[in-house]
Amino acid sequence: KQEVTQIPAALSVPEGENLVLNCSFTDSAIYNLQWFRQDPGKGLTSLLLIQSSQREQTSGRLNASLDKSSGRSTLYIAASQPGDSATYLCAVRPSGGATNKLIFGTGTLLAVQP
Amino acid sequence: GAGVSQSPSNKVTEKGKDVELRCDPISGHTALYWYRQRLGQGLEFLIYFQGNSAPDKSGLPSDRFSAERTGESVSTLTIQRTQQEDSAVYLCASSPRGTIYYEQYFGPGTRLTVT
Repeated sequence: KQEVTQIPAALSVPEGENLVLNCSFTDSAIYNLQWFRQDPGKGLTSLLLIQSSQREQTSGRLNASLDKSSGRSTLYIAASQPGDSATYLCAVRPSGGATNKLIFGTGTLLAVQP
Repeated sequence: GAGVSQSPSNKVTEKGKDVELRCDPISGHTALYWYRQRLGQGLEFLIYFQGNSAPDKSGLPSDRFSAERTGESVSTLTIQRTQQEDSAVYLCASSPRGTIYYEQYFGPGTRLTVT
């Protein structure tokens, strides 16, 4: 059974700092991995989608890497800003069985202090 | 363009009552998903619709839960005889096609509180 874990559960950093969020999954048989941010009352916003054949994806100050064989992904946020404060979720799409659902981690709550 | 919308945004109901939650997907998206997020837990998959195919109901936690979707339009998630453990945020997502390559776009969710 696929399980997704995110460490740390919460993180507080001063503005301007670079930071890394971690995501691990137990079964490497995935089609892709997706990072989301969740703001209170606003649902989920997709940040980056990495296909299983890719190593990383970049969007602005965000860079996500994927090491499928070791079951790990990281989300790197450069020069953090208070507006980055949110819960960050990673999710994998398994390649075996039902391929049409995402398996989510429990998230990392990020607070960027001004 | 318009994103996924859900209504109501908040719902408080008494234990034992039935509730209906609504999801309007992005126009043209053939795939629609329902997830549940209980406090302090990750999102759990509930049900998936793809066009006119039979839905994947493998995530529904009990027979009190059901969902309908007509064609590629609105979906309703119904919870009968609500219990306190049903309290959660219910999130709907849609994607252009139900394949492995397409991102899921999420709505703002419905926060359900069962008292």
